[in-house]
Amino acid sequence: DADVTQTPRNRITKTGKRIMLECSQTKGHDRMYWYRQDPGLGLRLIYYSFDVKDINKGEISDGYSVSRQAQAKFSLSLESAIPNQTALYFCATSDPWDATYNEQFFGPGTRLTVL
Amino acid sequence: GQQLNQSPQSMFIQEGEDVSMNCTSSSIFNTWLWYKQDPGEGPVLLIALYKAGELTSNGRLTAQFGITRKDSFLNISASIPSDVGIYFCAGPRSTNAGGTSYGKLTFGQGTILTVHP
Repeated sequence: DADVTQTPRNRITKTGKRIMLECSQTKGHDRMYWYRQDPGLGLRLIYYSFDVKDINKGEISDGYSVSRQAQAKFSLSLESAIPNQTALYFCATSDPWDATYNEQFFGPGTRLTVL
Repeated sequence: GQQLNQSPQSMFIQEGEDVSMNCTSSSIFNTWLWYKQDPGEGPVLLIALYKAGELTSNGRLTAQFGITRKDSFLNISASIPSDVGIYFCAGPRSTNAGGTSYGKLTFGQGTILTVHP
């Protein structure tokens, strides 16, 4: 079984719709992240959470919100989707006790298309 | 803000060839990471580097932490079709106080590698 799972894997929606992307992990990590990937731009951080009560904006948080419902779950919402939010979205986790290593473990991604 | 610039952006090579790619920054990094993203999957860590000048290998992969701490290189020897994917460099972001914010990473734009059999 995958350690970091994302649902849905693919989603097509229309402009103005509210969308939620879900991430679950069984790694027991406190830290979770949401990134978006666009061709030629690499991975850009949207939001991150270092524990259940901690939410922080990343470099491109406008138009997004998150919820950390439990240690294992971190959801990303687009309140009113727009076409330039069409992208591949990744959830990731890391272990704070592995601070010098900085390894992040990624889910398989959600491909979101906003028409 | 901090940026990592990878080159080349894409490579088309024949199976068996060696590959070299690099990552540069205007800022100093204390750790360099190289990730690979297979088609349809999330990135996976290949190699981590912690000291300027360090040279680390993982099978056919070799990575080096530049002596200036502003660059890193990844080499793949004798490429095979399963080397296809996107290779990202990454490093921990710096805090406003000039320290290292472990837990948050800056990623390069990626190098897309295509290997022809």
